[in-house]
Amino acid sequence: DAKTTQPNSMESNEEEPVHLPCNHSTISGTDYIHWYRQLPSQGPEYVIHGLTSNVNNRMASLAIAEDRKSSTLILHRATLRDAAVYYCILRIPHNNAGNMLTFGGGTRLMVKP
Amino acid sequence: DTEVTQTPKHLVMGMTNKKSLKCEQHMGHRAMYWYKQKAKKPPELMFVYSYEKLSINESVPSRFSPECPNSSLLNLHLHALQPEDSALYLCASSLTVHQPQHFGDGTRLSIL
Repeated sequence: DAKTTQPNSMESNEEEPVHLPCNHSTISGTDYIHWYRQLPSQGPEYVIHGLTSNVNNRMASLAIAEDRKSSTLILHRATLRDAAVYYCILRIPHNNAGNMLTFGGGTRLMVKP
Repeated sequence: DTEVTQTPKHLVMGMTNKKSLKCEQHMGHRAMYWYKQKAKKPPELMFVYSYEKLSINESVPSRFSPECPNSSLLNLHLHALQPEDSALYLCASSLTVHQPQHFGDGTRLSIL
């Protein structure tokens, strides 16, 4: 199974952009890149996903390298509420029987006022 | 507020007890999941249901028994658990198995 590598932790200042990196050098052509985040005492929350092209939504942007071996989640303006563990996950198609999300260690983002 | 509701939020049980965790969603999702999360670790997939049928069992011990009585409900029946089974149990759902997942806030289970 393809794995992801993320820094254990990162710090950001409030109202500044945050770039969260993820390496996935063994990604295969059919693996989607998903990002979820988990706030304290809550379940994970879907953030964004993509396959090859950069993606934007109301929460964040996802920049995917041309060779797909790495990606970056971009929070354009961090708030204190963005402090969470951010997981970069490769969604591995499991035939048609299921959709496996294999969570890695994640990056703990701390936001300073 | 989450749209996936898990009950109870906390559960303490002995190793000989039988209990059930419940998960409910009314978003019309046809895929539902159980995950286990130990403290300071990422969630680990246990089971996947698609259209009320079990499609993935990640080699989970038989003391955990999932049940999907209808498209809105997912249960996890517990029997003869061990102290190492103490964890946060998360339920998730998605429109289909290929769509992003919505998680509940979990049941924190403690085995005495």
